[in-house]
Amino acid sequence: DAMVIQNPRYQVTQFGKPVTLSCSQTLNHNVMYWYQQKSSQAPKLLFHYYDKDFNNEADTPDNFQSRRPNTSFCFLDIRSPGLGDAAMYLCATRVGASTDTQYFGPGTRLTVL
Amino acid sequence: DQQVKQNSPSLSVQEGRISILNCDYTNSMFDYFLWYKKYPAEGPTFLISISSIKDKNEDGRFTVFLNKSAKHLSLHIVPSQPGDSAVYFCAASYNNNDMRFGAGTRLTVKP
Repeated sequence: DAMVIQNPRYQVTQFGKPVTLSCSQTLNHNVMYWYQQKSSQAPKLLFHYYDKDFNNEADTPDNFQSRRPNTSFCFLDIRSPGLGDAAMYLCATRVGASTDTQYFGPGTRLTVL
Repeated sequence: DQQVKQNSPSLSVQEGRISILNCDYTNSMFDYFLWYKKYPAEGPTFLISISSIKDKNEDGRFTVFLNKSAKHLSLHIVPSQPGDSAVYFCAASYNNNDMRFGAGTRLTVKP
């Protein structure tokens, strides 16, 4: 089945130790998103790619970076995780226009010790 | 800046009754609204949407109502089933900009 896959599902890292979260899609969608969701809060958009064009939200910390080496894969790099970065990280894809549905992966829950 | 608000963090209803989930927004530019449903350990999945040119959209047991003057939308589930128990997110977008989500409402449907 076509889908959005996130690996790993659970990630534990130490304070200040770089970590990379992975997202892949078999939907061949143009747009890929990364959201951060903390407990009982709305998913917060960090950035997205429209094909190779990178779009950063104004309030996304510099500590967060992203790479999209090809259509299928997108990575979230957290250069120096802090305790406040512990959250669920959701990847989503969309074909193109904003009225198209976003398809979400199951998320990666990041714990920072 | 929370542009989309779901003020009820949880809702509990009896099986067979109506579930009404509410959502308010502050940005009058929003022209497309969506509801997503999320089960534990899964990502949100699209449920139903509505364009600002409509005030109602129905899909089976699910109906979304939009009141633009009040900047309010609601999701009605009739009849509610135990399998509907999940977290429901309201989302909004405008003019090819990306979606803004509410914090979600956890619905519990009791048998």
